[in-house]
Amino acid sequence: DGGITQSPKYLFRKEGQNVTLSCEQNLNHDAMYWYRQDPGQGLRLIYYSQIVNDFQKGDIAEGYSVSREKKESFPLTVTSAQKNPTAFYLCASSRTAFSNQPQHFGDGTRLSIL
Amino acid sequence: GQQLNQSPQSMFIQEGEDVSMNCTSSSIFNTWLWYKQDPGEGPVLLIALYKAGELTSNGRLTAQFGITRKDSFLNISASIPSDVGIYFCAGQKWNNQGGKLIFGQGTELSVKP
Repeated sequence: DGGITQSPKYLFRKEGQNVTLSCEQNLNHDAMYWYRQDPGQGLRLIYYSQIVNDFQKGDIAEGYSVSREKKESFPLTVTSAQKNPTAFYLCASSRTAFSNQPQHFGDGTRLSIL
Repeated sequence: GQQLNQSPQSMFIQEGEDVSMNCTSSSIFNTWLWYKQDPGEGPVLLIALYKAGELTSNGRLTAQFGITRKDSFLNISASIPSDVGIYFCAGQKWNNQGGKLIFGQGTELSVKP
């Protein structure tokens, strides 16, 4: 089945630790995105990538890093510099970036602090 | 940053009732999208609107792109228990670099059987 796969479903981070969230898509989409969702709030854009080997900061990029070495993969690293990392993280993809091709989402990773 | 005002924040209704929710903004948008999110899952696209005044249906769901381009509403008719979830609107405006999605805060819908 075509879709977006995020792993793990749940992740725990210790103080001072970097953790990496995986996002894989087999939709052959060029564009991929990472969003952060906090309770009672809408989604906020962390990073996005329009094409392989390219990525741009979104609205809340501080404390996060990404890479886009392969078209189907867009991992997000939550670094120790992110002081409030507890949230639900959602990965999305679309055929082209910020076009009239709608974004489709994975099932998310919930990150908590130990 | 830019914000969309989505209302109501939550709704508690009886099965069979109709539901209406809306999003407004002080800015003009070129595209409006409506998503539904079940607990612990990612949002699923319900309806996409691309033209001012456009009215689009998807089963029991109907959404409209406001004439002013600053608002959109979503109606659900004859609600059923599986309609429970959080509904998000998202607006998109175009410039020569494309357009980021701006999300509303969500409307949490509860349906009593």
